[in-house]
Amino acid sequence: GAVVSQHPSWVICKSGTSVKIECRSLDFQATTMFWYRQFPKQSLMLMATSNEGSKATYEQGVEKDKFLINHASLTLSTLTVTSAHPEDSSFYICSALSPLRSPSYEQYFGPGTRLTVT
Amino acid sequence: RKEVEQDPGPFNVPEGATVAFNCTYSNSASQSFFWYRQDCRKEPKLLMSVYSSGNEDGRFTAQLNRASQYISLLIRDSKLSDSATYLCVVNLKAAGNKLTFGGGTRVLVKP
Repeated sequence: GAVVSQHPSWVICKSGTSVKIECRSLDFQATTMFWYRQFPKQSLMLMATSNEGSKATYEQGVEKDKFLINHASLTLSTLTVTSAHPEDSSFYICSALSPLRSPSYEQYFGPGTRLTVT
Repeated sequence: RKEVEQDPGPFNVPEGATVAFNCTYSNSASQSFFWYRQDCRKEPKLLMSVYSSGNEDGRFTAQLNRASQYISLLIRDSKLSDSATYLCVVNLKAAGNKLTFGGGTRVLVKP
């Protein structure tokens, strides 16, 4: 069964509003969570790495003030897209990592959130 | 040069045939390698890890060539349900276990 959940699975919002996406590891504590974005016909691009209790590390070109990441517990990370614009419309996917659960450092992916900004 | 490169395809494969494709990676310090499968508008799902000695899982065989920095995936006896995009993924543990994804190889299995 699914080990990582995301909520909501899809969302439509108006330009200028903010949207929060939740990522939860269901039966394990994730030391690290990752946030990815995928545009149509492109591969996943890592946006940021999130460790519980510390600030997220953002990839080059990703605005940290626009994509706010909070990793408040070992089972929950949130991504807030602030002041969303149509170009932020994308498929946002999180993943969770637990070396205890997977010594090969497999990441477990959530089902993704499809964001459409009108 | 991209860190992980794949032939985007599509590979049009008759049902029952064998298809194979490669992926090259640029960072020689890469430590873990995976093949993921992604269906349209869905999240990636792990197909198999790739080990140095090569490994097989049913109809799927993965190989790793560290000297030439490539990994391969072979699918035997292709099924219609194998139609998907196959993502080559590399883990650089020294970079905080970040996964780097290739652009994906699209496989279409036709009756």
